[in-house]
Amino acid sequence: DGGITQSPKYLFRKEGQNVTLSCEQNLNHDAMYWYRQDPGQGLRLIYYSQIVNDFQKGDIAEGYSVSREKKESFPLTVTSAQKNPTAFYLCASSGTGGRYGYTFGSGTRLTVV
Amino acid sequence: GESVGLHLPTLSVQEGDNSIINCAYSNSASDYFIWYKQESGKGPQFIIDIRSNMDKRQGQRVTVLLNKTVKHLSLQIAATQPGDSAVYFCAGPAGGTSYGKLTFGQGTILTVHP
Repeated sequence: DGGITQSPKYLFRKEGQNVTLSCEQNLNHDAMYWYRQDPGQGLRLIYYSQIVNDFQKGDIAEGYSVSREKKESFPLTVTSAQKNPTAFYLCASSGTGGRYGYTFGSGTRLTVV
Repeated sequence: GESVGLHLPTLSVQEGDNSIINCAYSNSASDYFIWYKQESGKGPQFIIDIRSNMDKRQGQRVTVLLNKTVKHLSLQIAATQPGDSAVYFCAGPAGGTSYGKLTFGQGTILTVHP
């Protein structure tokens, strides 16, 4: 079955650590996105990529980094520079242009301990 | 750019009632909108979309209405069931007519009481 897989489902980070969230899709989608969701909030765009080896900052990119070495994969690293990383992270992908909506992964809940 | 917002953060209905969730947008050039449903601890799921050349679109138990004059859209759920309890988001293109990036409203929490 085609879909988009995020792992891990839960992740705990110590202060000062970098952590990487995985996102893999087998939908042959060109575009991929990372969103952050805080309680009672909507979705805020962190980074997006419309093609392999290219990506752009979203609205809240500070403290995050990404790579897009393969069409199927778009990992997100939460760096120690991100001072408030506790949140629910959602990865999404879309076909050419993304005009007809995203397919979302099931999310990763990141908690700072 | 586009921004979308919700009139009400929460909506509580009885099972079997019809639910109406509203959304306002700012960019009159936006050419499509999408509704998503997010259950607790899960990623959002596509429900229905509508293009700006339409006023109404129907799906299974759901109808989306678009009023371009007042820049408002709504999601109507008929005969609401407990399984409809979730957060509902409207989304529009972040750049108005640009494809790709979406911008999302805050969401409306729908609670269905048996």
